[in-house]
Amino acid sequence: RKEVEQDPGPFNVPEGATVAFNCTYSNSASQSFFWYRQDCRKEPKLLMSVYSSGNEDGRFTAQLNRASQYISLLIRDSKLSDSATYLCVVNVNSGYSTLTFGKGTMLLVSP
Amino acid sequence: EPEVTQTPSHQVTQMGQEVILRCVPISNHLYFYWYRQILGQKVEFLVSFYNNEISEKSEIFDDQFSVERPDGSNFTLKIRSTKLEDSAMYFCASSPQGVHEQYFGPGTRLTVT
Repeated sequence: RKEVEQDPGPFNVPEGATVAFNCTYSNSASQSFFWYRQDCRKEPKLLMSVYSSGNEDGRFTAQLNRASQYISLLIRDSKLSDSATYLCVVNVNSGYSTLTFGKGTMLLVSP
Repeated sequence: EPEVTQTPSHQVTQMGQEVILRCVPISNHLYFYWYRQILGQKVEFLVSFYNNEISEKSEIFDDQFSVERPDGSNFTLKIRSTKLEDSAMYFCASSPQGVHEQYFGPGTRLTVT
């Protein structure tokens, strides 16, 4: 089983749509969880950390289910500028350890 | 907003040559990382560095790779004898003490011919 697995893409949605990305991780000892976005040939940019209680940042909502080892990202009212690849990222150990990336799900928002 | 910077943005080298990729992490960060991303593939961890020593490394980070913090600001990745399969985007990242969020630089695209 892959360490971090994401929905295959791409997701094609019209502006204003709500879109949800799912992610599962294999290591139950994982401590920290993130969503990054990556534009074509650019660096990953931190979108948001994911907390057990769930968290929201404007149009973006992240949820974590430790029992199911599942993370989600919901984007409401999609904008053209949301078009990017969304990366599910997991940190296995506490402290300064490595980030394990999913392969990403591409989102294309059209007018 | 403070940023991680990397130079050069693109490096072309011949197989067998040595390359040094440079990074300036965010100034008050204490943890530094290198990742790579082969075109079309996922981002992969190479090495982490804290308190002037390697804290973790992946199986990719073999004897051909080394890292150094030669002064108070730069963090470098050296590949001693490049192979064709080293062609990738190399990202430097840094994080503050005790915080897990890592902030990435714009990357160096390494092309080995």
